[in-house]
Amino acid sequence: QKEVEQNSGPLSVPEGAIASLNCTYSDRGSQSFFWYRQYSGKSPELIMSIYSNGDKEDGRFTAQLNKASQYVSLLIRDSQPSDSATYLCAVNDEVRTGGFKTIFGAGTRLFVKA
Amino acid sequence: GAGVSQSPRYKVAKRGQDVALRCDPISGHVSLFWYQQALGQGPEFLTYFQNEAQLDKSGLPSDRFFAERPEGSVSTLKIQRTQQEDSAVYLCASSYTGGSGGQYFGPGTRLTVT
Repeated sequence: QKEVEQNSGPLSVPEGAIASLNCTYSDRGSQSFFWYRQYSGKSPELIMSIYSNGDKEDGRFTAQLNKASQYVSLLIRDSQPSDSATYLCAVNDEVRTGGFKTIFGAGTRLFVKA
Repeated sequence: GAGVSQSPRYKVAKRGQDVALRCDPISGHVSLFWYQQALGQGPEFLTYFQNEAQLDKSGLPSDRFFAERPEGSVSTLKIQRTQQEDSAVYLCASSYTGGSGGQYFGPGTRLTVT
């Protein structure tokens, strides 16, 4: 059973700080990695995708991928109270039929204190 | 343009009833995914379509669950003889690419089986 593991939190950071969210995955052959943000009572929203080792930056968000360690992280700089949400790590795996199966972690709850 | 839409947004069914949940993906999106999300958990993969072809249905929990996308656009998830354990939010997502890219989620259908 392929797995994606995240610390459920809650992770609490003060406004303006850097929030660091981590994720590990079990399938060494995974190729596509994503971070989604989910506000309470809402559906997930794609915020970052990463496909190769290293860092990818988009505004205040940086995704980091280390395939050797099977580790993905998300850094949120200058955290704002509006960043308070659950952050879901997701991994896409290609299956034999040519389709894709997406495995989500359970999510990390982030609270940014004003 | 319009995002992913789902209907109904809320559905209450008596145990044993059949239900049909509809998803309208973003126009032109090739891939369509269905997920089940329980409270406090990440979305659980149910099935994946590429155009009208159902390439993976390994996540469907039982043969009471059936999904179709006959013309490669709108999709329907049908649950026969609903059980209380089917109560969850059912999310639909679409992706422009063949499944390896990030996904855009609809608002979900909250199903309650009484």
